[in-house]
Amino acid sequence: QTVVTQEPSFSVSLGGTVTLTCGLSSGSVSTIKYPSWYQQTPGQAPRMLIYNTNSRSSGVPDRFSGSLLGNKAALTITGAQADDESDYYCALYMGSAIWVFGGGTKLTVL
Amino acid sequence: QVQLVESGGGMVQPGGSLRLSCAASGFTFSTYNMHWVRQAPGKGLEWVAFIRHDESDKTYADSVKGRFTISRDNSKNTVHLQMNNLRVEDTALFYCVKDQGGGSCGLGIWGQGTMVIVSS
Repeated sequence: QTVVTQEPSFSVSLGGTVTLTCGLSSGSVSTIKYPSWYQQTPGQAPRMLIYNTNSRSSGVPDRFSGSLLGNKAALTITGAQADDESDYYCALYMGSAIWVFGGGTKLTVL
Repeated sequence: QVQLVESGGGMVQPGGSLRLSCAASGFTFSTYNMHWVRQAPGKGLEWVAFIRHDESDKTYADSVKGRFTISRDNSKNTVHLQMNNLRVEDTALFYCVKDQGGGSCGLGIWGQGTMVIVSS
């Protein structure tokens, strides 16, 4: 069974830059996995930030960007703000209309 | 604006059934694929099920296959999740999600969720 991997936790300084990654327990993440990224703050529904690897969802600030980094998908936050402190999830399209989420990364802004 | 409102959650005993519903508005429902995603208390997101806009394709996570059935009624702008033989580990907040659409791949718009508790 394929597992989607994310860092359990990460911290970034206010105004700093952080890159979160999304990998596979077996194999590489590429564009055909259509990586997407979601932000969830406590008590709220998730919000899509990035889809199709690097397309920003409507209304998402441009400090959020998506890319491929080696054999993983990546979400970079440039100039982190206090309200970026959230849980971040990636999702990969596994083909045949099946999706899998990673376990999530809890981001702390110091 | 796009709105998704889930209903039908509640408490049920192991082995029981529940039918979740999601009322959609603010977009042309019949042209969009839809998903259900769940989140157990204090845990991460788990994709549960997908239905194509014309019901031509329905898929499920292995954890619910054979027990859950997704359906939709395009005349009423609703999507449903019939959940049978519920287990304690199905306890979660269930979200209805509109696919990004337009040839793109992403779980674009989320409802606020409906809570399902499976307990004896």
